[in-house]
Amino acid sequence: KAGVTQTPRYLIKTRGQQVTLSCSPISGHRSVSWYQQTPGQGLQFLFEYFSETQRNKGNFPGRFSGRQFSNSRSEMNVSTLELGDSALYLCASSLRQDGGELFFGEGSRLTVL
Amino acid sequence: AQRVTQPEKLLSVFKGAPVELKCNYSYSGSPELFWYVQYSRQRLQLLLRHISRESIKGFTADLNKGETSFHLKKPFAQEEDSAMYYCALRGEGGKLIFGQGTELSVKP
Repeated sequence: KAGVTQTPRYLIKTRGQQVTLSCSPISGHRSVSWYQQTPGQGLQFLFEYFSETQRNKGNFPGRFSGRQFSNSRSEMNVSTLELGDSALYLCASSLRQDGGELFFGEGSRLTVL
Repeated sequence: AQRVTQPEKLLSVFKGAPVELKCNYSYSGSPELFWYVQYSRQRLQLLLRHISRESIKGFTADLNKGETSFHLKKPFAQEEDSAMYYCALRGEGGKLIFGQGTELSVKP
């Protein structure tokens, strides 16, 4: 079966702009988590959605938001981009919300100029 | 607070040598711990989890609650083990928290 798909794979934005990233989970998976990966900070948890509800949130400012649709696809949005938002944004899906293996996508690499 | 610490950013060993990647965690409850691995140009993927007590690709990890550690070990490293390794903790609310990762380099 198809893995987790993230689009776009690469994008370049300028400071102040906003960006929307998309994630399609593995078919049947209802939980989607988002992570920011940077060389300095490693993998930092952004948020997790299950059945269209945000279940967990990391310590990121309100500029970072997300949502999940009825088909389990998820989007995350970053508004008023800052240089420090440049990172690889990873999406992961799992069958259950409270346990189980995470299956990761290849990520969306965002560069903010 | 939940926290995962991997003290080594880079670990370099020769082929055939034993390897131990350290992981310490901070969590007041009963933790669920994992090791994830990212090989070059591949996706991050699960290597093993403590509840299954399995050996994957020769790697094992034992949860030591007294020392709050979950070190990953392999008796004889292979070149194909070179990768980025992340220790992860599932704690309160179910969210999975990762350590900063250790890059393992196995030299021929």
